[in-house]
Amino acid sequence: AQTVTQSQPEMSVQEAETVTLSCTYDTSESDYYLFWYKQPPSRQMILVIRQEAYKQQNATENRFSVNFQKAAKSFSLKISDSQLGDAAMYFCAYRSLLDDKIIFGKGTRLHILP
Amino acid sequence: DAMVIQNPRYQVTQFGKPVTLSCSQTLNHNVMYWYQQKSSQAPKLLFHYYDKDFNNEADTPDNFQSRRPNTSFCFLDIRSPGLGDAAMYLCATSRSRGVLDTQYFGPGTRLTVL
Repeated sequence: AQTVTQSQPEMSVQEAETVTLSCTYDTSESDYYLFWYKQPPSRQMILVIRQEAYKQQNATENRFSVNFQKAAKSFSLKISDSQLGDAAMYFCAYRSLLDDKIIFGKGTRLHILP
Repeated sequence: DAMVIQNPRYQVTQFGKPVTLSCSQTLNHNVMYWYQQKSSQAPKLLFHYYDKDFNNEADTPDNFQSRRPNTSFCFLDIRSPGLGDAAMYLCATSRSRGVLDTQYFGPGTRLTVL
């Protein structure tokens, strides 16, 4: 069974600085998708970025980028120029091409310090 | 514009008293999901509907049931809530079950069991 591990329950970063959230996963599959979701306080969870495992190029969405290391099964999220609105719980997630289920990590709560 | 709406946002029930949580969507998506998210844990899929086809996760307790009377609405029924069922319940929708179809989440209903 696949697992997703986020080893940092909480992190803090100064506004305008860069922060990296870590995620590792375990799978025996060769093709799959990885995601980062953001859940702001009392608001709905939204998709931040998606990576297809067969693509070597790291995905980027504006200030958000990933460092995907397939051999190491690592999928970290980098947030550049952190803003107060980035404060949220961030979930790393895995989805097999063979399944309807998204497997989430336990999340990392990110605090932005003004 | 609200796309996935969950009512109520906060629900308090008594031990053993049946409770129903509601989810509606304005996206006309075919798939609706229910997740359980306990404190400091990853969201866990309980079941999902693909149109009228109900798909239960193997480890979802029998205490949890779901109904989808039409495309727009989906309900989560907890027949006899226990203290361990206190959690945030998230509803999500997607256009189809394809891995590239983004899941859109509602804000969640936080259930307290007294």
